[in-house]
Amino acid sequence: GEDVEQSLFLSVREGDSSVINCTYTDSSSTYLYWYKQEPGAGLQLLTYIFSNMDMKQDQRLTVLLNKKDKHLSLRIADTQTGDSAIYFCAESMDNYGQNFVFGPGTRLSVLP
Amino acid sequence: IAGITQAPTSQILAAGRRMTLRCTQDMRHNAMYWYRQDLGLGLRLIHYSNTAGTTGKGEVPDGYSVSRANTDDFPLTLASAVPSQTSVYFCASSENPTNFGEQFFGPGTRLTVL
Repeated sequence: GEDVEQSLFLSVREGDSSVINCTYTDSSSTYLYWYKQEPGAGLQLLTYIFSNMDMKQDQRLTVLLNKKDKHLSLRIADTQTGDSAIYFCAESMDNYGQNFVFGPGTRLSVLP
Repeated sequence: IAGITQAPTSQILAAGRRMTLRCTQDMRHNAMYWYRQDLGLGLRLIHYSNTAGTTGKGEVPDGYSVSRANTDDFPLTLASAVPSQTSVYFCASSENPTNFGEQFFGPGTRLTVL
């Protein structure tokens, strides 16, 4: 079946760039997403990318997609303490909400 | 009410008891979802509803049931709770079943089954 994998933990210094990686197995994935979960809260959509794109940039966020290797990354420039959260990668082949597959989440800790 | 609310915030439950987790949204969204979140596993879909009056099974539906009598409410019922149902439960909604990942999440219910 479909599987999405992520490293569970990442620590960076404030002001540095963070790179959160994700790999997926379903080659028919059409839509790929990054969600952020702050402590005690639900998930919030950060950004998404279509499989026919290589890169998407939105302010401090850059998403890179390597479709050949089924690898997705989220880069956060100038990481701030407010970026400390769990980041979930998710994929879907048809954009129907019930077909999303979420990764286990990467807990990002930003050190002063 | 603004967005999605869930109740209770947390609950400790004896095994074998029946429990209903409540979820209400005021955005008039058509689609609603129930997920459980377990450490190291991310979110797994339990049940979903693409519109009022319809429901569907997700990845882990066993032991859970849902109903969608109206647009706003999507309760999740555990008929006879077991310890493996200890988890954090999130309700979510989206304007339509396909909405480019824009699911809005509630604050979650932490359930412990002893």
